[in-house]
Amino acid sequence: GAVVSQHPSRVICKSGTSVKIECRSLDFQATTMFWYRQFPKQSLMLMATSNEGSKATYEQGVEKDKFLINHASLTLSTLTVTSAHPEDSSFYICSAIGLAGGLSYEQYFGPGTRLTVT
Amino acid sequence: AQSVTQPDIHITVSEGASLELRCNYSYGATPYLFWYVQSPGQGLQLLLKYFSGDTLVQGIKGFEAEFKRSQSSFNLRKPSVHWSDAAEYFCAVVGGGADGLTFGKGTHLIIQP
Repeated sequence: GAVVSQHPSRVICKSGTSVKIECRSLDFQATTMFWYRQFPKQSLMLMATSNEGSKATYEQGVEKDKFLINHASLTLSTLTVTSAHPEDSSFYICSAIGLAGGLSYEQYFGPGTRLTVT
Repeated sequence: AQSVTQPDIHITVSEGASLELRCNYSYGATPYLFWYVQSPGQGLQLLLKYFSGDTLVQGIKGFEAEFKRSQSSFNLRKPSVHWSDAAEYFCAVVGGGADGLTFGKGTHLIIQP
């Protein structure tokens, strides 16, 4: 149980276009979802926290107008990278917290999305 | 603000040897601590976690970790490594259930034959 999926797993887009990444909790309801970014050979940095039905909370330094997050249901959060530029190329990973097994402090991670902006 | 330090960027261990990966955290209260493993181009797999109780926690794949409050440490250990253990290991901390994780910079584990 407690499976999180991401789609797509890889995406290549041209500079200036927008890309949407989906994060789904497949077998539990996610009260909170998180989006992380990981540069090559580096650690994961928290970008934002999203709660179903409310606006996302962004970490300091993350442009909320560039990284649009929508958490419209208890099983789906989306991250849209708007007007993407090569510096947005990265590995984006989502995680979800739910009531799966009662372990409300455990985050379940998706497999990640590799974004390449050309 | 909470922080996590993994002092070793790279560690090389011979197959069959023991392993210890270090993790130190900074947090004002009792944190929730995690160790994750990541293979190249993959997502994160949870190895083990500490919430409360017994300070020696057992995880998957033969890993264990010990929470030492006095040293603000949560070191990961394995008595005998396998070639398949080669990966990137991340220690992480969270203060509350609805907070995002703060990760260390990771330790790259290399296994020598």
